[in-house]
Amino acid sequence: AQSVTQPDIHITVSEGASLELRCNYSYGATPYLFWYVQSPGQGLQLLLKYFSGDTLVQGIKGFEAEFKRSQSSFNLRKPSVHWSDAAEYFCAARSNDYKLSFGAGTTVTVRA
Amino acid sequence: DAGVIQSPRHEVTEMGQEVTLRCKPISGHDYLFWYRQTMMRGLELLIYFNNNVPIDDSGMPEDRFSAKMPNASFSTLKIQPSEPRDSAVYFCASSWGNLNTEAFFGQGTRLTVV
Repeated sequence: AQSVTQPDIHITVSEGASLELRCNYSYGATPYLFWYVQSPGQGLQLLLKYFSGDTLVQGIKGFEAEFKRSQSSFNLRKPSVHWSDAAEYFCAARSNDYKLSFGAGTTVTVRA
Repeated sequence: DAGVIQSPRHEVTEMGQEVTLRCKPISGHDYLFWYRQTMMRGLELLIYFNNNVPIDDSGMPEDRFSAKMPNASFSTLKIQPSEPRDSAVYFCASSWGNLNTEAFFGQGTRLTVV
């Protein structure tokens, strides 16, 4: 069955430190991949997406993600986090039937 | 465009009552998605439409749930009768008909069934 897995439920990181959020997918063919962020009480906002080409994609707010076909992964990174990056982050995948499925999400806490 | 618009933002209802959630997608978008978000189950895709036609409703939890899209600018998700376990945040999202385009989300409707 098609699925998106985010192994980390919660990550705490110090302000200014680097951040990496993991995402793995299980699809027959490489899906279209997305990272979204959700602040408390808000909807989801797109950070970045990948569908082909360069495997390192840049997004908004200083985020980037790297697609690795061999590992079926699409991990999100940020070199230096800010307190405003505290939020929940979702990895999502879209298959050829246009169905958009999400991982369970990773909550990021930023400590001063 | 104002984005995806959902109403109401908050709904509190008594068990057994009918609840209708509304969504106005972004103009020109071909796809519309309904999701439910809970702490226990995360973001679940309930149903999605293409050009107003339901494509996959396998995520609809029970027959108490129904969704319609009478035209390109309006969709409803109805729960009848509602139960306390339906309490969740319900999101509507829409996108263009290209696989590499993202879905745009509304602000959600927080439903509480007491």
